[in-house]
Amino acid sequence: QVQLVESGGGVVQPGRSLRLSCAASGFSFSSYGMHWVRQAPGKGLEWVAVISYDGSNEYSADSLKGRFTVSRDNSKNTLYLQMNRLRPEDTAVYYCVKGDMTTVWVLDYWGQGTLVTVSS
Amino acid sequence: DIQMTQSPSSLSASVGDRVTITCQASQDISNYLNWYQQKPGKAPELLIYDASNLETGVPSRFSGSGSGTDFTFTISSLQPEDIATFYCQQYDNVLTFGGGTKVEIK
Repeated sequence: QVQLVESGGGVVQPGRSLRLSCAASGFSFSSYGMHWVRQAPGKGLEWVAVISYDGSNEYSADSLKGRFTVSRDNSKNTLYLQMNRLRPEDTAVYYCVKGDMTTVWVLDYWGQGTLVTVSS
Repeated sequence: DIQMTQSPSSLSASVGDRVTITCQASQDISNYLNWYQQKPGKAPELLIYDASNLETGVPSRFSGSGSGTDFTFTISSLQPEDIATFYCQQYDNVLTFGGGTKVEIK
């Protein structure tokens, strides 16, 4: 079965960087587009970024102003999110999400998330 | 950016009640609309895709309809295990979520 396991979260000071990882299993990782979606404590869902199945195309939310970059290593079945110049408002649970085969914009499997806390 | 407005933001209903949630897009999104359920402390799960298609394994008491700017999500007979927050999501222009509807048992 599809499994997505995020790691790399924790407490980080404002202005610092952090890289999240997502280990995928149970499906052909290299065939699917992947997303990151975040959820601030007690708040709704916010889409962060998407990357194509082969990593040739990636796009992140305009609100992030280029601070976050998504990448993948298909040889390791792993998705990454590099987060730079972190701000307190980036505090959230970050979910790794698989896109559907027909359209990457249907989010059919979600990991359990990793919590990032940005605080001094 | 396309804005998605869900209503109500919360509701309380009895077991067996019919529950309806609406989602309005700020512009025409055709049928590029999905619905997700997020139970407390858990990750979201896909319920409905392309406005009205039930994801495999999802109970048939859940349904969706609509196109253009106005969409509806319905639970035909509310069950205790349906307690959750429900989100709509458009993908006509990148991807945005509605603000969520929290469903509780009366």
